Amino acid sequence: SQQGEEDPQALSIQEGENATMNCSYKTSINNLQWYRQNSGRGLVHLILIRSNEREKHSGRLRVTLDTSKKSSSLLITASRAADTASYFCATDARNNNDMRFGAGTRLTVKP
Amino acid sequence: EADIYQTPRYLVIGTGKKITLECSQTMGHDKMYWYQQDPGMELHLIHYSYGVNSTEKGDLSSESTVSRIRTEHFPLTLESARPSHTSQYLCASKELGGRGNTIYFGEGSWLTVV
Repeated sequence: SQQGEEDPQALSIQEGENATMNCSYKTSINNLQWYRQNSGRGLVHLILIRSNEREKHSGRLRVTLDTSKKSSSLLITASRAADTASYFCATDARNNNDMRFGAGTRLTVKP
Repeated sequence: EADIYQTPRYLVIGTGKKITLECSQTMGHDKMYWYQQDPGMELHLIHYSYGVNSTEKGDLSSESTVSRIRTEHFPLTLESARPSHTSQYLCASKELGGRGNTIYFGEGSWLTVV
């Protein structure tokens, strides 16, 4: 079974608004990563947060991690139409070295 | 920029045909993966490898097979394709061991079996 589960499944916002996506997971992890996938393409790494970190920033991206709740959130500020894509969280579990992905959040940013 | 390549990008084949999806990476990564993803759906891990001569089955049962004769290549083969195999297949790689290693993806291979 997959490790991460994103919420919501789909999100539609206007350009300039902020988009927040959540991810929940089940087992202890070394780190959690967020990836982006444009339609019909491969996934591209966005940001990684380690299990001992609580928040991380990269440009317009802000990621939080709450290991007690086994959850993470990805915030995209001042969204642009080009941010339209699917966003996946992936966990690197402590008991193995395999990456597990959730079902993704499909973000649509309307111009 | 990821140096991992998949061919073909798009393939339409008839039922019963044998096909091999190629995947190669030039980053020297030991770990390689194959994921299957239907449009708009989650990724399912179907095969992975820790290095040369290592192959493991993933979470999702698959009728495909893989081989890892060289570090750079991780081809996936379907001996007899069926319409249920229609999907996107994503190859990926990362460094073995360590913590927080990014996984790099190819652009994917879209397979349609008619």
